[in-house]
Amino acid sequence: AQSVAQPEDQVNVAEGNPLTVKCTYSVSGNPYLFWYVQYPNRGLQFLLKYITGDNLVKGSYGFEAEFNKSQTSFHLKKPSALVSDSALYFCAVRERAGYALNFGKGTSLLVTP
Amino acid sequence: DAGVIQSPRHEVTEMGQEVTLRCKPISGHDYLFWYRQTMMRGLELLIYFNNNVPIDDSGMPEDRFSAKMPNASFSTLKIQPSEPRDSAVYFCASSYKRGPYEQYFGPGTRLTVT
Repeated sequence: AQSVAQPEDQVNVAEGNPLTVKCTYSVSGNPYLFWYVQYPNRGLQFLLKYITGDNLVKGSYGFEAEFNKSQTSFHLKKPSALVSDSALYFCAVRERAGYALNFGKGTSLLVTP
Repeated sequence: DAGVIQSPRHEVTEMGQEVTLRCKPISGHDYLFWYRQTMMRGLELLIYFNNNVPIDDSGMPEDRFSAKMPNASFSTLKIQPSEPRDSAVYFCASSYKRGPYEQYFGPGTRLTVT
């Protein structure tokens, strides 16, 4: 069975500061890992994914994520937050042999001016 | 590309009525997924199709829910009869082939059952 945990319901950051949104996972074998963002009344938008190789993955809008196999984590990061980054962020995991994504419950990011 | 298209965007219906949600996936995508999002349960996978064939419907909550994909460019999710607890946002997503391909989501249908 595969599962994803996002331990923080909400993360508050001041604009210009670095941000981290945490994600840990449980899956058999080597996973595919994804981050999505959801703005109010919109669908989920793909940000980035980890497949294999380099542990630091770069994605859209200046976001990046660090894969840590020993800690089974895939934290989302951005060096300098923008107010427009305020949204709901979802981490998702997929077994390599599977098809469906298993999403975390989401973390609400609030960036204040 | 227009992305994944869903209709209607909002649906308000009375308990007991039939509801049909529609989805047009991205052209060329082989997989189509239906999700439901609620505050209590988050994002739940209901069913997914590969090349128009349902692969896994274990997430479909009850027999009141059914989904079809008559061709590569159209899918429906039907609830009959609808109940207030079905109120949620329903998302359709599609992806390209098997492999580490991300899913692309539609804007969702917000369903309210009174």
